[in-house]
Amino acid sequence: QLQLQESGPGLVKPSETLSLTCTVSGGSISSDNYYWAWIRQPPGKGLEWIGNIYYSGNTYYNPSLKSRVTLFVDTSKNQFSLKLYSVTAADTALYYCARLKWEVLSPNWFDPWGQGTPVIVSS
Amino acid sequence: DVQLTQSPSSLSASVGDRVTITCRASQSVTSYLNWYQQKPGKAPKLLIYAASTLQSGVPSRFSGSGSGTDFTLTISSLQPEDFATYYCQQSYNTPPYTFGQGTKLEIK
Repeated sequence: QLQLQESGPGLVKPSETLSLTCTVSGGSISSDNYYWAWIRQPPGKGLEWIGNIYYSGNTYYNPSLKSRVTLFVDTSKNQFSLKLYSVTAADTALYYCARLKWEVLSPNWFDPWGQGTPVIVSS
Repeated sequence: DVQLTQSPSSLSASVGDRVTITCRASQSVTSYLNWYQQKPGKAPKLLIYAASTLQSGVPSRFSGSGSGTDFTLTISSLQPEDFATYYCQQSYNTPPYTFGQGTKLEIK
């Protein structure tokens, strides 16, 4: 059974860089037709897609965050990572990683998800 | 971006009730619409993909329908474990993938 687990600092200072890693177990990150995604949820609010990455390194980003986000993949460790630069309090959220089922000209969906990791931006 | 608007935003219902949640898209997403369930302190769980296909392991009391701009999630007979927040999500016009604002289903 595929499982995803987020890890990283729970507290980041304003203007600094948020760095999170998602470790995939029970399956290969190098599987065809799956992207690997980051999604966040501010406290008490809804879900916002951040971006996704393929095992080849191909990426898609949310235009609203594109200038501050980079995703990385490490197939040797079965991990993918998120860096969000120049954070502010508005980036405080629960950050989830998830697998995105993806095929051209077909519906895509997120399943499964990691348990989420909280990140607070504060000095 | 495709905006998804769910209604109602919150709903009170009783065990055994039939419940319907609606998701309306700002433009057509054909059948590229998914539904998730999120319980407090937990990650979202995929219930239905491609508008009407039940994810493996999800009880058959959940069903989805619709196409274009109007979609519904129906729970035929509410069980205690169904009280949660439900989100729709589109994958037709991306990036970005977008979610509805959520519908919180509470016990009456």
